[in-house]
Amino acid sequence: DAGVIQSPRHEVTEMGQEVTLRCKPISGHNSLFWYRQTMMRGLELLIYFNNNVPIDDSGMPEDRFSAKMPNASFSTLKIQPSEPRDSAVYFCASRSGARTDTQYFGPGTRLTVL
Amino acid sequence: GENVEQHPSTLSVQEGDSAVIKCTYSDSASNYFPWYKQELGKGPQLIIDIRSNVGEKKDQRIAVTLNKTAKHFSLHITETQPEDSAVYFCAAREVGSGANSKLTFGKGITLSVRP
Repeated sequence: DAGVIQSPRHEVTEMGQEVTLRCKPISGHNSLFWYRQTMMRGLELLIYFNNNVPIDDSGMPEDRFSAKMPNASFSTLKIQPSEPRDSAVYFCASRSGARTDTQYFGPGTRLTVL
Repeated sequence: GENVEQHPSTLSVQEGDSAVIKCTYSDSASNYFPWYKQELGKGPQLIIDIRSNVGEKKDQRIAVTLNKTAKHFSLHITETQPEDSAVYFCAAREVGSGANSKLTFGKGITLSVRP
């Protein structure tokens, strides 16, 4: 299995631009999580989906952030407009099902907003 | 919600020595506690986990112990090697309705193993 796939691996953009991060979970997994990692705040859960349905988005910082999961094999995290304080590493993770606990993380997308 | 804290934030040990990393959690109802290892430029990877119905679990050179009364759990690495150098995260699972449970992570500890 290829594991969780994220793209792009690195993104540099200017303040005010729209940023879209992409994630392909492990095939057959039905839970997907988006995390943000910074030195100051560590690993924060932004939102997670079960069977493509958003369950908890309480970690989404503000309305500039949105996430979608149109099907079981694809999810996006969008920031519009982006700000310098959004600079971080964004991870996607997937889990196989309701009765399992292990989350498998992707390699992350390093976002830099200038 | 759950609050997970890790101390210290950095730890340096000599190769061959043991390393112990401790985490505390706040929600006594949490019942699942994984440890993740993150190497430079990579995503976190699960290395060991423990559930609240056991007090200790071992896997070769690593072990995890859980003290539910004190609400803390620890990662033990014996015979440390340079490749053990990484950031280690602990987490606790907030009890939810199965599929709706989520993990709360500590801020991580950087372990350095000196050759």
